[in-house]
Amino acid sequence: SQQGEEDPQALSIQEGENATMNCSYKTSINNLQWYRQNSGRGLVHLILIRSNEREKHSGRLRVTLDTSKKSSSLLITASRAADTASYFCATGDSGNTPLVFGKGTRLSVIA
Amino acid sequence: NAGVTQTPKFRVLKTGQSMTLLCAQDMNHEYMYWYRQDPGMGLRLIHYSVGEGTTAKGEVPDGYNVSRLKKQNFLLGLESAAPSQTSVYFCASSYGWRGEQYFGPGTRLTVT
Repeated sequence: SQQGEEDPQALSIQEGENATMNCSYKTSINNLQWYRQNSGRGLVHLILIRSNEREKHSGRLRVTLDTSKKSSSLLITASRAADTASYFCATGDSGNTPLVFGKGTRLSVIA
Repeated sequence: NAGVTQTPKFRVLKTGQSMTLLCAQDMNHEYMYWYRQDPGMGLRLIHYSVGEGTTAKGEVPDGYNVSRLKKQNFLLGLESAAPSQTSVYFCASSYGWRGEQYFGPGTRLTVT
């Protein structure tokens, strides 16, 4: 399985600080996606980065991808209490394997 | 545009009972998925469909059956519920095979 593994499992920061979460995976990918899940809700897609891209931005989100290290990071800048959620990476390979989700990082942003 | 909807939102079953979870999407997506989410396990794929009339097994298909008779609906059935199937079930759909997935709000199922 090329399941992504997020690190850390849990992260607690103060409002205004930056939050960084990492995802490592095992085999070659076509793309890597990040999702957010608020407590008791379904996942919401945040950003998709393709294997030939190194960095992508969306608002306060910055995602990097290092295919040589088989890893990605999600940076949330100037965090807010509303960013409190679980964040999942999901990897899609080049073949017929469905998207595989990691176990997530629980982010708590304290006001 | 409702996106992905799931019915019911909550359900309690006794061991051995059966039920069907309904997922509907109004985005004309070809691909649909059923996941279960358990504490500390992340999302695990149960079954998926790459188009109307097709279904395929995911990572944890045992004890579940699915049907995709209409493009917009994907049904997940439990023929004989077991306590191990206590979980939160999410349906998702996507336009492309590797594209972003849109998730429903989830169904919380408890089997006693």
